[in-house]
Order: sequence, then structure tokens, then C-alpha cells
Amino acid sequence: KNQVEQSPQSLIILEGKNCTLQCNYTVSPFSNLRWYKQDTGRGPVSLTIMTFSENTKSNGRYTATLDADTKQSSLHITASQLSDSASYICVVTITSGTYKYIFGTGTRLKVLA
Amino acid sequence: SAVISQKPSRDICQRGTSLTIQCQVDSQVTMMFWYRQQPGQSLTLIATANQGSEATYESGFVIDKFPISRPNLTFSTLTVSNMSPEDSSIYLCSVWRHVSAEAFFGQGTRLTVV
Repeated sequence: KNQVEQSPQSLIILEGKNCTLQCNYTVSPFSNLRWYKQDTGRGPVSLTIMTFSENTKSNGRYTATLDADTKQSSLHITASQLSDSASYICVVTITSGTYKYIFGTGTRLKVLA
Repeated sequence: SAVISQKPSRDICQRGTSLTIQCQVDSQVTMMFWYRQQPGQSLTLIATANQGSEATYESGFVIDKFPISRPNLTFSTLTVSNMSPEDSSIYLCSVWRHVSAEAFFGQGTRLTVV
């Protein structure tokens, strides 16, 4: 069964601290993996995308890693800011005739001043 | 990127009524999707909106409850019919851009059924 699981479910950190969010997937056939940020009441916005052959991808203070062997990905946020408070969703794309997204359950991050 | 305008952004509706949500894209796209995001949950695909033909629904979703229109390559509507409180959710429109192999999402419609 195609599944994407994320941990932790929620996380509270102080402003300026770093944090790492985890994503494990059992999806086939794998096309790519994305991390999305979803602010409360808004649609998800893409942060990074990684294909099977990529191990790491950065977007400013966001760095995503991918281990295709263990089917794990992480999103590392450096020097967190209050505006980082949001839900972070790991999404795996499968291509079996057409593109399909498998969404993770999300991690709700709260950054405190 | 794709600019997606979704409206209304939120609504409070009486049970038994219907609400139509509109999704307008700033350029032609082949693939458009409708998702539901229940409180505290991740996104669930309702259906793929096909231009010129009937939408393709995912398991658990039916056309009578969620009729979808796709009259052209830039516009789609989703109707939530005969609403009940269980339909209270965020509904999101999404488009797929082949060039970047990426999905873009609208701002969402927060629906509350009372």
C-alpha cells in the first residue's frame, strides 16, 4: 500500500533554533519527493523537490535530504523564524500511467519568540 | 509558477444546501484536481477534473455528491451537494505543470456546515 508517514506530528521550538522533520514512504513506482509548506488557511507551497538520484536539495534555510535506499527523507530548518510556523507536508509522486500525489500526514511546526 | 484564484475563500452554509467553489488559473493547464483537507488531516484527492468530459473520481467520492465542471483549460468548479456537518473541511484546487513536474495549489475554501 502506498503510504507516506511523517514525524513528529507536531513540534514546538524557540526562534533561532534548528529542527529536522522526518518522512518515511512506501511508494512505488517512485518519481520524486517534495516538501510543501502550508500556512494556516492557505494552500500548500512547494519548498523542494528531489528525484531518485538526488540526495540533498536546499532552498534558503530549508535543506531536504533523500535516502532512496531506506525510503526516508528529512527537512532541516536552520535558524528558525516565527514565519516558519506552519504545517510541513511530505509528498511523493508516483507515475503509473499518470501522475499521482501521495500526501504525508504533515508535521505542524510552531516557532515561539 | 501558476497563479490560482479560488473562491470563495470561506463560507458557512446550512445543512442540506449546496456550495459551488470556483478555481481560475492564469494559464492553460491540462490537469486540474480537487482535494479535501479535513481538520488536522492531510490532503485527500476527490477527483481529477477533465476538460470536456466527466471528472474521474477517487474511491469514496461520487459525482452526485461532488459534481465537477471543467468547461475549458483554465477554469473548474466543484460543488458540494446536500451538505452535512461532516462536509466541513478545506477544499483545494490544484493544477499540474508538466514543465516543472510540479503541482500548485489554490488558497483553499474553508467550508463550515451548520
